[in-house]
Amino acid sequence: KQEVTQIPAALSVPEGENLVLNCSFTDSAIYNLQWFRQDPGKGLTSLLLIQSSQREQTSGRLNASLDKSSGRSTLYIAASQPGDSATYLCAVYSGAGSYQLTFGKGTKLSVIP
Amino acid sequence: EAQVTQNPRYLITVTGKKLTVTCSQNMNHEYMSWYRQDPGLGLRQIYYSMNVEVTDKGDVPEGYKVSRKEKRNFPLILESPSPNQTSLYFCASRTGAVGEQYFGPGTRLTVT
Repeated sequence: KQEVTQIPAALSVPEGENLVLNCSFTDSAIYNLQWFRQDPGKGLTSLLLIQSSQREQTSGRLNASLDKSSGRSTLYIAASQPGDSATYLCAVYSGAGSYQLTFGKGTKLSVIP
Repeated sequence: EAQVTQNPRYLITVTGKKLTVTCSQNMNHEYMSWYRQDPGLGLRQIYYSMNVEVTDKGDVPEGYKVSRKEKRNFPLILESPSPNQTSLYFCASRTGAVGEQYFGPGTRLTVT
């Protein structure tokens, strides 16, 4: 069964710093990987979707990479801002038939002004 | 605006009183899902639907029912809610089996 792990569970950085969030998964037979942002008590907002054939995707200050063979993905945030404070979750599609999306438990990011 | 809507956003009810949480999407997506989110356990899938009249169980289906009579709607039914179903519930939809997933704003349910 697919398991997704995100380390660390929480991260605090000063404003302006570049940072990397990590995501690892146990079964490398994935279809794609999606990064989400969740603000407290709110729904999830899709940030980036990386197809299994891709190595990375970029959107503004965000860059996500995918290494299927090692079961890892990273989300790079450049020049962090207080508005980036949120919980970031990664999720992978795996399992032929059900195409179930398996989530990590997230990394809670705090950007200190 | 493309979106997934859920109603109600907040609900407090008592044990055993049947309730329905509605979910609707305006993106013509085939796939729809229900999740619950609990502290320390993360997001877990309850049920999903691949199209009209096609539904299947997720990881935690006990105590829940769903139906998909129209493509845009996917209601979640709790026939006899219990306190362990107190949680934050999310509906989501996507186009295709592994497409980008879009989430609703969530429904916070408290069962006393």
